Amino acid sequence: SQQGEEDPQALSIQEGENATMNCSYKTSINNLQWYRQNSGRGLVHLILIRSNEREKHSGRLRVTLDTSKKSSSLLITASRAADTASYFCATGFNKFYFGSGTKLNVKP
Amino acid sequence: GAGVSQSPRYKVAKRGQDVALRCDPISGHVSLFWYQQALGQGPEFLTYFQNEAQLDKSGLPSDRFFAERPEGSVSTLKIQRTQQEDSAVYLCASSLPRDRTEAFFGQGTRLTVV
Repeated sequence: SQQGEEDPQALSIQEGENATMNCSYKTSINNLQWYRQNSGRGLVHLILIRSNEREKHSGRLRVTLDTSKKSSSLLITASRAADTASYFCATGFNKFYFGSGTKLNVKP
Repeated sequence: GAGVSQSPRYKVAKRGQDVALRCDPISGHVSLFWYQQALGQGPEFLTYFQNEAQLDKSGLPSDRFFAERPEGSVSTLKIQRTQQEDSAVYLCASSLPRDRTEAFFGQGTRLTVV
């Protein structure tokens, strides 16, 4: 399976701190995406990184990709209480494979 | 519409009852996906349409699950003879063909089978 797995399963930090989440996957990929899911809501696309990219930025988000280790990380800088959500990485094309997610809690 | 719309938001069904879940994708989006998300887990792929054609239904857990998209826009996921293990959030997503890698998700339908 191409399924991504996020680590840690849960993360609790203070507002203003940085949050780092990791994702590992099993097979070769064309791209990897990160999604956010607020409690009881659908998933929101955050960022996509292609297999020939090593790092990508979007606002307070920074994503890295290491295809040799089959891993990716998502860094949220200067976290806010509104960042509290579950974060998922996804691989695949048309048919996405999601991990179990990292539940991030940002305390005000 | 502005986003992917799913209805109902919540559904409680008695075991053995049939249910139908509706998805209105973003207008013009060719690709449509259904996912099942159990509590505390990530979404699991169920099926994928391109226009009205169901190109992949490998994730449907049993023959009690059936999805259709007859006119290439609205889709319905039907579950026959519901069982407790069907309790989950059912997510629908749509995307454009030239940008198939980013999918836009609806808020989901939470199905509880009692």
